[in-house]
Amino acid sequence: GAVVSQHPSWVICKSGTSVKIECRSLDFQATTMFWYRQFPKQSLMLMATSNEGSKATYEQGVEKDKFLINHASLTLSTLTVTSAHPEDSSFYICSAGGLAGELTSTDTQYFGPGTRLTVL
Amino acid sequence: EDKVVQSPLSLVVHEGDTVTLNCSYEVTNFRSLLWYKQEKKAPTFLFMLTSSGIEKKSGRLSSILDKKELFSILNITATQTGDSAVYLCAVKANNRKLIWGLGTSLAVNP
Repeated sequence: GAVVSQHPSWVICKSGTSVKIECRSLDFQATTMFWYRQFPKQSLMLMATSNEGSKATYEQGVEKDKFLINHASLTLSTLTVTSAHPEDSSFYICSAGGLAGELTSTDTQYFGPGTRLTVL
Repeated sequence: EDKVVQSPLSLVVHEGDTVTLNCSYEVTNFRSLLWYKQEKKAPTFLFMLTSSGIEKKSGRLSSILDKKELFSILNITATQTGDSAVYLCAVKANNRKLIWGLGTSLAVNP
């Protein structure tokens, strides 16, 4: 239980294009989803927190117009990297925090497998 | 400023050894502490600790929290090469944000 999927697992795109990454909670409802970025040999960096049906809360230094987050349902959140540039190349990971229940705790975050983005 | 500090940053052991990973924190409105294991992909959940002195155990892994001294340890006994990974500690405050440590990179040699 508590499975989170992410799609695509890797993507290569040209500079200036936009890339959409999907994050789905497969067997539980995720009231809150988190988007992280991780550079090689560094820890996870929280980019934004999204709650279903409301606007995402972005961390300081993260451009909300560049990293568009939509959390339209309790099982799906999307991150769109607009006008991607090579410096946006990174490993993007989502995690979902669910409703309290048999499989989940509101405190525990379950991570998707991540999406490796390479911008040429 | 809230912070989570893990030590050591890196550790190399032989198969069969026992290791202890440390996580200390200074976080306002502490709610819970979580341990994750990260191999080549995204982190996988290991433990969530909320109460002092109660050991959580899963196979060869165990963890305990000390809320008075503000730290947690993760023990791995009889290590195997498959335990090689980065072990991440994170603390959740009441505002629901996770504060992450930098991780301990564990390498288990055969």
